[in-house]
Amino acid sequence: NAGVMQNPRHLVRRRGQEARLRCSPMKGHSHVYWYRQLPEEGLKFMVYLQKENIIDESGMPKERFSAEFPKEGPSILRIQQVVRGDSAAYFCASSPWGKENTGELFFGEGSRLTVL
Amino acid sequence: QQQVKQSPQSLIVQKGGISIINCAYENTAFDYFPWYQQFPGKGPALLIAIRPDVSEKKEGRFTISFNKSAKQFSLHIMDSQPGDSATYFCAASIKGGSEKLVFGKGTKLTVNP
Repeated sequence: NAGVMQNPRHLVRRRGQEARLRCSPMKGHSHVYWYRQLPEEGLKFMVYLQKENIIDESGMPKERFSAEFPKEGPSILRIQQVVRGDSAAYFCASSPWGKENTGELFFGEGSRLTVL
Repeated sequence: QQQVKQSPQSLIVQKGGISIINCAYENTAFDYFPWYQQFPGKGPALLIAIRPDVSEKKEGRFTISFNKSAKQFSLHIMDSQPGDSATYFCAASIKGGSEKLVFGKGTKLTVNP
């Protein structure tokens, strides 16, 4: 039973480049959440997706950030024209659908983005 | 209204002692209150959770106390062990809504041997 898989685990980008972070949810899970964690801070909600649908993107910055969860393949969090303030750990979490959903989110080990 | 306030920011406890972490919320629509444990370099993992229809839940050395009228809940770790040293996050969500978890800022617990 593989857990939530995130890659890359570490990513270094220069200012102005693009960062793409990928997340494969646990088997059988159809809901994906992205959270950002700054040093010494809690986890901030960014976006909640189901297959091919964005359900809640209230935590996403208005510019440069986008997320998708296609019918096939992993969920992707894309950050365009990165700035130093984007340096953080980005965590993906998943949960099952319907009656199996207890409210628990299952987190991956995170992708740590460093912007030089 | 979407905030969950957590205290203390850091906590140092001797082995065998009791660790207590507190959280408070404003949104009365929250109906699920989990605690997550995070070790350095790892993702958070669910430790224990409670719903507002009970005032206390115990799992091994970990207990959640919930006070609905005060809109507060706390985590108690009995007989704290060095292996419990980690960052603990309280959270809250609304089932049936987007079910996103709103997290507190975390408490870094250090248990000295």
